[in-house]
Amino acid sequence: LAKTTQPISMDSYEGQEVNITCSHNNIATNDYITWYQQFPSQGPRFIIQGYKTKVTNEVASLFIPADRKSSTLSLPRVSLSDTAVYYCLVGEGDTGRRALTFGSGTRLQVQP
Amino acid sequence: SAVISQKPSRDICQRGTSLTIQCQVDSQVTMMFWYRQQPGQSLTLIATANQGSEATYESGFVIDKFPISRPNLTFSTLTVSNMSPEDSSIYLCSVAFSQQMTTTDTQYFGPGTRLTVL
Repeated sequence: LAKTTQPISMDSYEGQEVNITCSHNNIATNDYITWYQQFPSQGPRFIIQGYKTKVTNEVASLFIPADRKSSTLSLPRVSLSDTAVYYCLVGEGDTGRRALTFGSGTRLQVQP
Repeated sequence: SAVISQKPSRDICQRGTSLTIQCQVDSQVTMMFWYRQQPGQSLTLIATANQGSEATYESGFVIDKFPISRPNLTFSTLTVSNMSPEDSSIYLCSVAFSQQMTTTDTQYFGPGTRLTVL
């Protein structure tokens, strides 16, 4: 089973760039990497997804090295509203199915 | 995308009783899931709600404790039966649009139901 490992928590200040790294050493060939964000008292919401190299959208960037054993979610110029828990998900093996297992997540606290 | 609502948003229940949580989606979806999130913890998948057939449960979760219905493509219920304080959690419904949840598919989550069992 592909398993993800993330830092439990991170602290930052408004305006800084935040990088959260996720390790997924057993990622399968056809697995994509998906990141979700969860605010208190809400369900998780999709942020970004990628397979290799770099993906960027209006919210974040995702960097994936060539060996794909890790990925880094980059949040540019964070604000207080980015305080949340961030989860990295990968599939569960070569079946390509079921990106449904949430790891422990990273609790990001942004301070003024 | 999808807009998902859950009822109730929260409830306080007595030990030994049951609570049914409803999940309503604003569009037809192929896949619906139920998760549990204990305070300060990550999400744990309970089951996949299959339309027209029995739900598929994850290891550690059984139908007698968490019966699930899915009568159509926009609605599902999760019942937490014979509750104990250990069942106090947030229960979340999520949906996906693919036929088979692949590694590229994204989920859309409801706001959750906060359950407290006394």
